[in-house]
Amino acid sequence: AQKVTQAQTEISVVEKEDVTLDCVYETRDTTYYLFWYKQPPSGELVFLIRRNSFDEQNEISGRYSWNFQKSTSSFNFTITASQVVDSAVYFCALISNYGGSQGNLIFGKGTKLSVKP
Amino acid sequence: NAGVMQNPRHLVRRRGQEARLRCSPMKGHSHVYWYRQLPEEGLKFMVYLQKENIIDESGMPKERFSAEFPKEGPSILRIQQVVRGDSAAYFCASSPAWTGREETQYFGPGTRLLVL
Repeated sequence: AQKVTQAQTEISVVEKEDVTLDCVYETRDTTYYLFWYKQPPSGELVFLIRRNSFDEQNEISGRYSWNFQKSTSSFNFTITASQVVDSAVYFCALISNYGGSQGNLIFGKGTKLSVKP
Repeated sequence: NAGVMQNPRHLVRRRGQEARLRCSPMKGHSHVYWYRQLPEEGLKFMVYLQKENIIDESGMPKERFSAEFPKEGPSILRIQQVVRGDSAAYFCASSPAWTGREETQYFGPGTRLLVL
């Protein structure tokens, strides 16, 4: 079975605080891909990052960083010095190489981040 | 490069009517995916199509829902005899090849369907 768990339903921070969004996944596959998407209040889904299961290097992009740890099946997302524009729902997602659908992204339920000025 | 286009952005239907949702993938993309986002729930996969082929429809409700991606024109998600429970945001995504290899699914802005 494949599953993505985002235990934090809502997080509220004050601008300039750092915040980490947790993502834990389950899969029996040895080859899989993990994603983060952002859904701002306007409603569209914006791709943020893709990581394959063979690449455990952490990634940094500006104020965003991702920590992928296979040992704990986690793919956490940190926003440094948060800004009001970061307010959105963030989704973690998983896709594997085989089994069931070849194109079926499994999404977590999302974490709603509110950044207050 | 234009992104994934969906229309209409908002659609209101009365119970029993038909809803047609359209999706034009990004230029150069030949794979289309439909997802549904119900209130208070995450996104759920519905169907995966390539041109003229349904690859996986394991997430589609067995009745009233159908999808196509013709050789020419956009992909269409069709809901017949809509019920209030169909009210949701429907997202289309596209990719140039099987996501498992190189590519990412890029999403459109969604169609918000409201059934009265």
